[in-house]
Amino acid sequence: DAGITQSPRYKITETGRQVTLMCHQTWSHSYMFWYRQDLGHGLRLIYYSAAADITDKGEVPDGYVVSRSKTENFPLTLESATRSQTSVYFCASSESRAEGGYTFGSGTRLTVV
Amino acid sequence: RKEVEQDPGPFNVPEGATVAFNCTYSNSASQSFFWYRQDCRKEPKLLMSVYSSGNEDGRFTAQLNRASQYISLLIRDSKLSDSATYLCVVGGLLIQGAQKLVFGQGTRLTINP
Repeated sequence: DAGITQSPRYKITETGRQVTLMCHQTWSHSYMFWYRQDLGHGLRLIYYSAAADITDKGEVPDGYVVSRSKTENFPLTLESATRSQTSVYFCASSESRAEGGYTFGSGTRLTVV
Repeated sequence: RKEVEQDPGPFNVPEGATVAFNCTYSNSASQSFFWYRQDCRKEPKLLMSVYSSGNEDGRFTAQLNRASQYISLLIRDSKLSDSATYLCVVGGLLIQGAQKLVFGQGTRLTINP
């Protein structure tokens, strides 16, 4: 089915471990984004990508790495997870110039213990 | 000062009531405006775009006042299914050709039977 999918839906990991959150979209949208959502902060942009092999930092990139070798995939890696990275992570995509806003995946709820 | 500010609520109103949400934004160069809806533990979904002339979609009316940097959403004849968090979203800064969307923290609405 067409759409934007994230995996896993839920993840518990230990402090210091590397963890990768996956995002896949079937629309061939150029732009993809990673946000985290926390109480008191709302949605904050971590990284974004304008096309394959073009990525850039958002507001809160520290501790995260992204790659985009294919247009449809935009994985987010926590290099060494910390408790402060416990959050809900949303991936989003949009067409060029995005007058219609973004479409979000269903999110990954990550707990770092 | 946050780029997008909303009253977090919660708003508790009876079914059938009219409810209004307000939002202010700080970047006068902002070019696009949206309201998103987010249900508990789900992803944000686009409710409607907001245009300078004001626009309506069924029971929902959005207004934009660029001079005051103020956005509003009016819900008439509220339904139980309108219970959700409503996110005010402002875009404009182009990053590699895409607009950057900045999200307010959201206003929580509960419709009571």
